[in-house]
Amino acid sequence: KNEVEQSPQNLTAQEGEFITINCSYSVGISALHWLQQHPGGGIVSLFMLSSGKKKHGRLIATINIQEKHSSLHITASHPRDSAVYICAVGNFGNEKLTFGTGTRLTIIP
Amino acid sequence: NAGVTQTPKFQVLKTGQSMTLQCAQDMNHEYMSWYRQDPGMGLRLIHYSVGAGITDQGEVPNGYNVSRSTTEDFPLRLLSAAPSQTSVYFCASSYRVGGRQPQHFGDGTRLSIL
Repeated sequence: KNEVEQSPQNLTAQEGEFITINCSYSVGISALHWLQQHPGGGIVSLFMLSSGKKKHGRLIATINIQEKHSSLHITASHPRDSAVYICAVGNFGNEKLTFGTGTRLTIIP
Repeated sequence: NAGVTQTPKFQVLKTGQSMTLQCAQDMNHEYMSWYRQDPGMGLRLIHYSVGAGITDQGEVPNGYNVSRSTTEDFPLRLLSAAPSQTSVYFCASSYRVGGRQPQHFGDGTRLSIL
């Protein structure tokens, strides 16, 4: 079974700071997903990637397949970025998703 | 386009009661799934469906039942609620089964069993 680990578990930063959240997995995957969950809210898909890098606004996601590692970066962070960010991987074979436990990000004005 | 709609948003049950969590999607997605989210753990798959009339068990299926009579709807039934089923439940859908498919989630149902 794939093991998905995220770091850090909790992150507090000042508004404007550059944020990095990391995700590592143990077994090869078909794709990696970054999800965002606001307090008391639903889950929104931010990125799905299987190689390289994707960018959407101030968010950038990268993946290194050889290292089995992905990062989610937020540039010019804002209080509205405060949320839990979840990494999930698609597993070859059964094609199910394995989820990390999430990183709770708090951006202070 | 409403996406994935879950009802209710909150529910409190007594031990032994039964209830159904509703999930509907309007995107004509083949694949639908139910997850539970517990503190300190990643989302865990309860049941899933790859199309109308086809369902299968996920990682933590005990105490839950599902059916998929239409493409749009995928209700989750708690047969006899237990305190261990206190959790936040998410329904998700994707166009097809597979880890390469973009996932669409509902807003969740927060369920407390007393």
